[in-house]
Amino acid sequence: GQQLNQSPQSMFIQEGEDVSMNCTSSSIFNTWLWYKQDPGEGPVLLIALYKAGELTSNGRLTAQFGITRKDSFLNISASIPSDVGIYFCAGPTFQGAQKLVFGQGTRLTINP
Amino acid sequence: DVKVTQSSRYLVKRTGEKVFLECVQDMDHENMFWYRQDPGLGLRLIYFSYDVKMKEKGDIPEGYSVSREKKERFSLILESASTNQTSMYLCASTSGSSYGYTFGSGTRLTVV
Repeated sequence: GQQLNQSPQSMFIQEGEDVSMNCTSSSIFNTWLWYKQDPGEGPVLLIALYKAGELTSNGRLTAQFGITRKDSFLNISASIPSDVGIYFCAGPTFQGAQKLVFGQGTRLTINP
Repeated sequence: DVKVTQSSRYLVKRTGEKVFLECVQDMDHENMFWYRQDPGLGLRLIYFSYDVKMKEKGDIPEGYSVSREKKERFSLILESASTNQTSMYLCASTSGSSYGYTFGSGTRLTVV
């Protein structure tokens, strides 16, 4: 089946640093989504990408839809303590009904 | 404020018990989903429903069943709980045309 591989699995950074993470697949996706899960909560949608090569920002977050349509990238600039959490990439499956497949997640920890 | 509500944040059950996890959404969404979250494995789809009384298996349906008698409520049932079903369970919903899921806060189930 379709699988998404995220890297790194975890990151330990200092406050103020920039962060980069990515998501790859052996399958082509027409949509890429990035979600963030705060500790003790469910994931929340951060950014949705709909076109190959698209670059979209949401505040300090920037995500890109890879031109091969098999990867996506998320960057966070000037990290702050509230950026702590797990970041998931996701993409629609072939099976419709708005069904998504999720990556394994990247856990971000920030040292103040 | 629109939301997805899961009935319990923490649950401890004994092996062999029948367990019901309840999820209610107030957004009139057609699609509802049950995922389980385990470290290093991300979110894996158990079951989903795209309409009342309609349900389809996800990637890991074994040992689970679901019920959707009303549009706003989607229940996950563990017929005979086992220790390998100890996990975080997340419910989500979305409208017919969106990949922007709204997640509940999750139920952390421990089976002893």
